[in-house]
Amino acid sequence: KAGVTQTPRYLIKTRGQQVTLSCSPISGHRSVSWYQQTPGQGLQFLFEYFSETQRNKGNFPGRFSGRQFSNSRSEMNVSTLELGDSALYLCASGQGAEGNTIYFGEGSWLTVV
Amino acid sequence: AQTVTQSQPEMSVQEAETVTLSCTYDTSESNYYLFWYKQPPSRQMILVIRQEAYKQQNATENRFSVNFQKAAKSFSLKISDSQLGDTAMYFCAFMKQQAAGNKLTFGGGTRVLVKP
Repeated sequence: KAGVTQTPRYLIKTRGQQVTLSCSPISGHRSVSWYQQTPGQGLQFLFEYFSETQRNKGNFPGRFSGRQFSNSRSEMNVSTLELGDSALYLCASGQGAEGNTIYFGEGSWLTVV
Repeated sequence: AQTVTQSQPEMSVQEAETVTLSCTYDTSESNYYLFWYKQPPSRQMILVIRQEAYKQQNATENRFSVNFQKAAKSFSLKISDSQLGDTAMYFCAFMKQQAAGNKLTFGGGTRVLVKP
């Protein structure tokens, strides 16, 4: 069974641009969540989708958004990039509605210059 | 809101020895899940072990075991017979048992260095 797949793995963007990151969960998993990891703030929850509905949202500005498609694949978008958005973005998937073991992808490294 | 605290930023251990990582959490929930994840230099987050709060028995997974003390809100990880491949950041994480989602709250992490 394939794991959680994230694309792209590495990207460099300029301040003010926008970026879209993609995540394909483990086959059969319906929950997809996103986390931001930085040296200063550690691992922070961005949002979670289940069956195309956002169920939880972390404390991030509205520039951070996401969506989930009917095949459970998810995308997150960051608009008007700031230097502080440079981070490792981790996608994770879980099988059911709650209490899941969460499996992570390898992450997307975003550098904003 | 839940908080997770890992009080040891860094630990080192000799190969084949045992190391214990501490984790405490704060919650008013009675039912929840606790996890330990390992993040090696590749940055891939790997599940190490999972514990359901309603289970009194401590979870074990090969060389990894936990000491879950619900009343003390403590969830330590013991790595036995440490191997060089155990060198990584270890994160303790908390998840509420609720129908509203699968949200993990992480501690700040403990860096473990296994020395040959």
